[in-house]
Amino acid sequence: DAKTTQPNSMESNEEEPVHLPCNHSTISGTDYIHWYRQLPSQGPEYVIHGLTSNVNNRMASLAIAEDRKSSTLILHRATLRDAAVYYCLLISSGSARQLTFGSGTQLTVLP
Amino acid sequence: ETGVTQSPTHLIKTRGQQVTLRCSSQSGHNTVSWYQQALGQGPQFIFQYYREEENGRGNFPPRFSGLQFPNYSSELNVNALELDDSALYLCASSLYNPLGNNEQFFGPGTRLTVL
Repeated sequence: DAKTTQPNSMESNEEEPVHLPCNHSTISGTDYIHWYRQLPSQGPEYVIHGLTSNVNNRMASLAIAEDRKSSTLILHRATLRDAAVYYCLLISSGSARQLTFGSGTQLTVLP
Repeated sequence: ETGVTQSPTHLIKTRGQQVTLRCSSQSGHNTVSWYQQALGQGPQFIFQYYREEENGRGNFPPRFSGLQFPNYSSELNVNALELDDSALYLCASSLYNPLGNNEQFFGPGTRLTVL
């Protein structure tokens, strides 16, 4: 089964960009890379996903390495509301679905 | 549009007992996934249901079982509870996609404590 690793914690200053890395060296060719974030006492919230190409949406950007063994979630201008635990998640395709969360990165945003 | 709801919010059981947790999917969703999240850790995938059948399973023993109903709501049953089963149990609903690129919508979870 695929496995993901993330740094335990990161800090950023408000209004500055944040790059959150995830290593998934055992990813299979058809696994999608998702990112979610979780605030205290809440369920995870979808942020972004991709397969091979870099992706942008209103919340963030996702940069995927050419060999797909790592990815980086980019928050372009961190705000205090972005403080949360960020998880990368691999989702396999087809039947016998597997969903593999990383251990998460606690992002602290400093005013 | 109603989001994903879970019941109960909190539950206390003793070792050896059985528990049933419930999840109502977001309107229009036909797939439900269940996760176990221990304190300070990432969610661990238990299983996924689509069209009332198990569509994938993580590394959990058979005493963790589930059901999906025709209205797409779901139950998670855990038999012979152990102390290590104490965790937040999360349910997520989505619209099935064979590729795995579907967004999941999570409920707030059920906090289970086993004494």
